[in-house]
Amino acid sequence: AQKITQTQPGMFVQEKEAVTLDCTYDTSDPSYGLFWYKQPSSGEMIFLIYQGSYDQQNATEGRYSLNFQKARKSANLVISASQLGDSAMYFCAMREGNNAGNMLTFGGGTRLMVKP
Amino acid sequence: NAGVTQTPKFRILKIGQSMTLQCTQDMNHNYMYWYRQDPGMGLKLIYYSVGAGITDKGEVPNGYNVSRSTTEDFPLRLELAAPSQTSVYFCASSPRGLNQPQHFGDGTRLSIL
Repeated sequence: AQKITQTQPGMFVQEKEAVTLDCTYDTSDPSYGLFWYKQPSSGEMIFLIYQGSYDQQNATEGRYSLNFQKARKSANLVISASQLGDSAMYFCAMREGNNAGNMLTFGGGTRLMVKP
Repeated sequence: NAGVTQTPKFRILKIGQSMTLQCTQDMNHNYMYWYRQDPGMGLKLIYYSVGAGITDKGEVPNGYNVSRSTTEDFPLRLELAAPSQTSVYFCASSPRGLNQPQHFGDGTRLSIL
């Protein structure tokens, strides 16, 4: 079974508007962390934001925030005031606490395209 | 600061050839990883290492080998290259910790013809 699911293969958003990228996850481990990465067309992987399963508040980093709904096992990324430079692939990833290798499991990604 | 450095950036191999993808990190991270990313897809874990001298298989290890003789270096070896190994390969490292992100190299684009 897929541990990380990103159901939106591609999305368009108008410049300066907000956009939500969906991520659902599956784990029975009560301790886990969720990560979002950005991959621009140049190919590098850029870490954006982290949410821990025991965090009481939704994570925020500048224009990025996480809409963390633990009971629904979702960790959606919200980008406010989209910019042309936000056009990229976005990957959600999970690390389970009982994971001796400190590994991440990645979703299939969402391609975001920002329209001027 | 260099972070995670991968060489080469691009390579074309013929079927049946072998090569080593180099990865080095200068952050003294214990954990290192090799991923492959096929076009339009997410990352799949090939091998990982929790420290010098210790390696283990990930999701897609067939056709690859690794070694970890030092904390800094984690080379990936392709033996008998096949067209199915055409992909972009990423090396990553992280310290121990649930909240620690993995730091990625810039990737190696490999084509097997």
